[in-house]
Amino acid sequence: KAGVTQTPRYLIKTRGQQVTLSCSPISGHRSVSWYQQTPGQGLQFLFEYFSETQRNKGNFPGRFSGRQFSNSRSEMNVSTLELGDSALYLCASQGQGRGSPLHFGNGTRLTVT
Amino acid sequence: DQQVKQNSPSLSVQEGRISILNCDYTNSMFDYFLWYKKYPAEGPTFLISISSIKDKNEDGRFTVFLNKSAKHLSLHIVPSQPGDSAVYFCALQSGAGSYQLTFGKGTKLSVIP
Repeated sequence: KAGVTQTPRYLIKTRGQQVTLSCSPISGHRSVSWYQQTPGQGLQFLFEYFSETQRNKGNFPGRFSGRQFSNSRSEMNVSTLELGDSALYLCASQGQGRGSPLHFGNGTRLTVT
Repeated sequence: DQQVKQNSPSLSVQEGRISILNCDYTNSMFDYFLWYKKYPAEGPTFLISISSIKDKNEDGRFTVFLNKSAKHLSLHIVPSQPGDSAVYFCALQSGAGSYQLTFGKGTKLSVIP
C-alpha cells in the first residue's frame, strides 16, 4: 500500500506570496490532518478533515486554510506569506477508529525569503 | 503552556543497553498515547501506542508504560541498536470527534556502537 504522498518536497517563496501544498492520503483513509514543524515550536496541529469537512482547527491565523476533496486528497493554502511561516509542513492520514495511528508523509519544506 | 513535555532534549546510550525516553502531560483528557520516531528529512513514523485503560504495551524491542496517576509516559527500547538513533516524539490524543495529536518537542536519541 502506498504511503502518504506530499508535493512538492521543497518550496521557496517570498514574503507576501501565497502557496498551496498538496497531500494524497493512504488509500481508504478518509481523515487527513496537517501539522507544522518548526525548531522552536515543534509539531503543531493546523487542521483536520474528514469526508471533505473540517473537523478541527488549531490555533493558527486565518491565512492558513485547507480543503479536502471527494477522493480524500487534501490541499492547504497559506496566503500573504511571512518569514515565520518557514517550516516543514506535514500531512497525515488515519484509518477508522480512535487510537488508529496517524501515518505521515515526508513533508513539504517551505522557505519564505 | 505546554501540555506535553519531553524534558530531555537528547539522550546517548551504548548499543545493547536500554534506552528510556520520558514524556509528561498535564491534561487528564488524553486517552491515547503514541510514540513516533523521526529521521531528518522524513516524516514521523509510528512506533507504538497505548490506550488509557492499559498501563503497558509491548511490541518487540519497544515497550510503552503509562502511569496515569503521575501523568507520565515512557518508552523503553531494549536492546538499543545504532539504527534506533533518531528523534522520538510522544503524541497524545484526546476528545471525541477529532484525531488531533498534541506532540512533545522530542528527544534526540543517539545509540553509540
